[in-house]
Amino acid sequence: DAGVIQSPRHEVTEMGQEVTLRCKPISGHDYLFWYRQTMMRGLELLIYFNNNVPIDDSGMPEDRFSAKMPNASFSTLKIQPSEPRDSAVYFCASSRFQGNIQYFGAGTRLSVL
Amino acid sequence: TQLLEQSPQFLSIQEGENLTVYCNSSSVFSSLQWYRQEPGEGPVLLVTVVTGGEVKKLKRLTFQFGDARKDSSLHITAAQPGDTGLYLCPRRRLLTDSWGKLQFGAGTQVVVTP
Repeated sequence: DAGVIQSPRHEVTEMGQEVTLRCKPISGHDYLFWYRQTMMRGLELLIYFNNNVPIDDSGMPEDRFSAKMPNASFSTLKIQPSEPRDSAVYFCASSRFQGNIQYFGAGTRLSVL
Repeated sequence: TQLLEQSPQFLSIQEGENLTVYCNSSSVFSSLQWYRQEPGEGPVLLVTVVTGGEVKKLKRLTFQFGDARKDSSLHITAAQPGDTGLYLCPRRRLLTDSWGKLQFGAGTQVVVTP
């Protein structure tokens, strides 16, 4: 299995622009998670899905952030408009069951100038 | 709210030395996981400990869960440069949560130099 695949690996954009991060979970996994990692706050859970349905988005920082999972093999995290404080590494993870191991992608490093 | 602390925040040692990192909570863990995150990669699960007093070994890594299930330690014997990484011990956000809602702290950054 190829593991969790995220794209792009690096994204540099200007403040105010829309940013879309992409994730392909491991085939057969029912749960998908989006995390954000910064030096100040560590690794934070933003939102997670079960069977393509958002279950808990309480970690999403504000309305500028949105996430979708149109099918079992694809999810997006969108930031519109982006701000410099959104600069971080964004990780996607998936798991087969709710209590099972989470497998993380390699992350997308976002820099908003 | 459970308070989770990892210590030290940063540790730099020479190859061949031993090291221990700690994970402490103000409340009881029902179970605890340790992850390692290598530079430029996502975290990878190392172990899950469930029973108070439990000790698990993974090659040169020894994981211990405190008897009261409020703390855990990770000991690395004869550290290698490949042990370099960020060590994380997430907890469930609420006692009733499944592993799905993990809350990670800042972790312990370990650097092993040749």
